[in-house]
Amino acid sequence: QAVLIQPASLSASPGASASLTCTLRSGINVGTYTIYWYQQKPGSPPQYVLRFKSDSDKQQGSGVPSRFSGSKDASANAGILLISGLQSEDEADYYCMIWHSDAWVFGGGTKLTVL
Amino acid sequence: EVQLVQSGAEVKKPGESLKVSCKASGYSFPTYWIGWVRQMPGKGLEWMGIIYPGDSETTYSPSFQGQVTISADESIRSAYLQWSSLKASDTAMYYCARRMGADEGFDIWGQGTMVTVSS
Repeated sequence: QAVLIQPASLSASPGASASLTCTLRSGINVGTYTIYWYQQKPGSPPQYVLRFKSDSDKQQGSGVPSRFSGSKDASANAGILLISGLQSEDEADYYCMIWHSDAWVFGGGTKLTVL
Repeated sequence: EVQLVQSGAEVKKPGESLKVSCKASGYSFPTYWIGWVRQMPGKGLEWMGIIYPGDSETTYSPSFQGQVTISADESIRSAYLQWSSLKASDTAMYYCARRMGADEGFDIWGQGTMVTVSS
């Protein structure tokens, strides 16, 4: 089973909110990890969105709007990227990443469609 | 402006060697780790390895250990990803990325270098 599991796709309407999940494999406790989120648009490199470990240990990427926020759902053992007030420009692939077992591990990515 | 600029696209034949570069500007190059990430066509991101230019300490992902060589030249502020014998399965986009700090992820990414290996 993969270390990080992301839904392959998610659709939401302009102005709505989208909650992108990054579920950690059973046995890996989300509470001990910093979750990094990256946005990648077609033909472009990934861009750093934010990192989240806790409400007191988080960081927004430079120039990233406050509409993007991070959190965790301990009951689901998942990291969450919440995008509020969706705009067409938010349409992209989103990847989560953690440092696990001496390696950087990426989730498979979620394609967010804004329609 | 903090920037990573990578070398241009490459088309190679199986068995050929290749070295792609990543040139840093706008920050203290020796003191930030540089990582390499592979993205195969239509697929997700895979971490390959990372180097600390200040002393060339390098760590590889087990998946890429022995398959590639990562190096850096502090004098010209550049990191490198090298293959001695390319395979068709090496066809991918390769990104370099700066690690923000100790125990941190990547903040600045290069524009990517597309490597195509085909006979």
